[in-house]
Amino acid sequence: DQQVKQNSPSLSVQEGRISILNCDYTNSMFDYFLWYKKYPAEGPTFLISISSIKDKNEDGRFTVFLNKSAKHLSLHIVPSQPGDSAVYFCAASAMTAGNKLTFGGGTRVLVKP
Amino acid sequence: DVKVTQSSRYLVKRTGEKVFLECVQDMDHENMFWYRQDPGLGLRLIYFSYDVKMKEKGDIPEGYSVSREKKERFSLILESASTNQTSMYLCASSLGGRQETQYFGPGTRLLVL
Repeated sequence: DQQVKQNSPSLSVQEGRISILNCDYTNSMFDYFLWYKKYPAEGPTFLISISSIKDKNEDGRFTVFLNKSAKHLSLHIVPSQPGDSAVYFCAASAMTAGNKLTFGGGTRVLVKP
Repeated sequence: DVKVTQSSRYLVKRTGEKVFLECVQDMDHENMFWYRQDPGLGLRLIYFSYDVKMKEKGDIPEGYSVSREKKERFSLILESASTNQTSMYLCASSLGGRQETQYFGPGTRLLVL
């Protein structure tokens, strides 16, 4: 049973437009959430995170929104650039689980020029 | 910059062989992790370690073991490789504490014939 789900396996967006990636979770103990980006033949790299005490965190073109009541988070990329084409993973952790991260299945983003 | 290196990028082994995957980090990180990545399933945690000679099972430890004799090195061992262990294996490390970013190596793509 996947505790973190990314229901869209792929997303295609025009350069300059907004990319919205969604992630749902079931474990109410999760209190810290992260997004990672992965290019082919490379390891994932950290992108942005959010604590459950916040509902929004912004870093340049990347904004993560957290809706605790809906157990839902989203990543907005504005404006999208061709270099953003990658697989994006959301991940969650719970204080009771220490440093363990639970990952979603990933969303492949293609930004078209 | 944090550097996490993995001993092989690609590996082909036969069923029943013993397989060693090595991971080295150069930032004196306390925590090290082994994941496997499969399409649609995201990253799943196999084993992790918070300290030298210490190990804890992740979500899918069956068929694997690990060794951490030195702080910088974390090895994943497949005692008797099987075809269902064909996957991308990713090693990660983090400094310590709950909300520390995990840094990933480039991955080892293992094919078991």
